[in-house]
Amino acid sequence: AQSVTQLDSQVPVFEEAPVELRCNYSSSVSVYLFWYVQYPNQGLQLLLKYLSGSTLVKGINGFEAEFNKSQTSFHLRKPSVHISDTAEYFCAVTPGASGGYNKLIFGAGTRLAVHP
Amino acid sequence: EAGVTQFPSHSVIEKGQTVTLRCDPISGHDNLYWYRRVMGKEIKFLLHFVKESKQDESGMPNNRFLAERTGGTYSTLKVQPAELEDSGVYFCASSQDLGQANTEAFFGQGTRLTVV
Repeated sequence: AQSVTQLDSQVPVFEEAPVELRCNYSSSVSVYLFWYVQYPNQGLQLLLKYLSGSTLVKGINGFEAEFNKSQTSFHLRKPSVHISDTAEYFCAVTPGASGGYNKLIFGAGTRLAVHP
Repeated sequence: EAGVTQFPSHSVIEKGQTVTLRCDPISGHDNLYWYRRVMGKEIKFLLHFVKESKQDESGMPNNRFLAERTGGTYSTLKVQPAELEDSGVYFCASSQDLGQANTEAFFGQGTRLTVV
């Protein structure tokens, strides 16, 4: 069975500092990988996704993530965060290849708190 | 274009009562999904509609939960009778193409259900 582990439940960081939110997954099949963000009082919004090809994926708002198959990781990074990045971030997977279906398996989420 | 809309945004009910959550997907989206997040844990898949048909309901917790999608438009999720452990945030999502992982699933803001 597939599962997703987000290693940090909360990450405090100062404005303009870099940040990395960690995500590891377990799966016996190839997967598609996603990062979603939930701003306060809003729905989940897709930040970026990895389907195939280049392992470095760039998303919205300056975020990027790197797929590492050997380490089964898909960590999210931003070189310089803003106060407006304060939100909860979710890593998710879905079966790739023959799956190709939007049933998402989520991690427990990481709350990013950006302080001035 | 209107996004995925969920009603109500919050609901507080007593144990044993009935609650109905509603989701209006993006117009033209055949795929509709329900997810639930309980007590700050991971967001879990409940079920998937393709038009009015249930494609996958493997995540439905028990027979107290009933989901419908009459006419393939909006969907309702009824909990009857509600129990304390049903408290959480219920998310709805919709997407356009079946089986295409490169199609984004758009999420609603969620309904926060509290059973007291």
